[in-house]
Amino acid sequence: ETGVTQSPTHLIKTRGQQVTLRCSSQSGHNTVSWYQQALGQGPQFIFQYYREEENGRGNFPPRFSGLQFPNYSSELNVNALELDDSALYLCASSLDSGFTDTQYFGPGTRLTVL
Amino acid sequence: GNSVTQMEGPVTLSEEAFLTINCTYTATGYPSLFWYVQYPGEGLQLLLKATKADDKGSNKGFEATYRKETTSFHLEKGSVQVSDSAVYFCALSSSSGNTPLVFGKGTRLSVIA
Repeated sequence: ETGVTQSPTHLIKTRGQQVTLRCSSQSGHNTVSWYQQALGQGPQFIFQYYREEENGRGNFPPRFSGLQFPNYSSELNVNALELDDSALYLCASSLDSGFTDTQYFGPGTRLTVL
Repeated sequence: GNSVTQMEGPVTLSEEAFLTINCTYTATGYPSLFWYVQYPGEGLQLLLKATKADDKGSNKGFEATYRKETTSFHLEKGSVQVSDSAVYFCALSSSSGNTPLVFGKGTRLSVIA
């Protein structure tokens, strides 16, 4: 059983650009959740996808969007990057929708916006 | 809304010392409570959890007891090792599991030999 992987590890963008971050869930996990972890803070929930449909969203603007694919991979897209978007972005996969199942986190992608 | 408050870090201990990391929460009803650990360069890993009052979660020598009367879920370990150096996060979710995890800010633990 492979773990959750994310790519790239690090990324540097400039304000106004767009970015796509990728996550590969554990095989068989139908749910992926994305979190933003600012420096010195705990992770904050962005949104969750279950079987390719958005299944809940945190307090993030629409320029944060996502996709989930049938092969257990997913993407987080951020448009019109702002300096405050600099953070570690974590994805977590789980078997079922909601948050009762254990979530398995990837190592994260560190995004720096200049 | 739901929230979690953890003790500020960093915490520095000598090997074999006793560890306590305090965590208190605010939530309606009876949330599920979790401790996650983040080792350097790695993602968060679930360390332990408790889903109802007076439950004790335990794993790898760590323990935490769900105290409804004090709305607390303090993490303890009797004898820490250098390999326990990491950032520890307390988190909660509603008992129904339909609200996302809410995390505290994390507490960095450094254990020195």
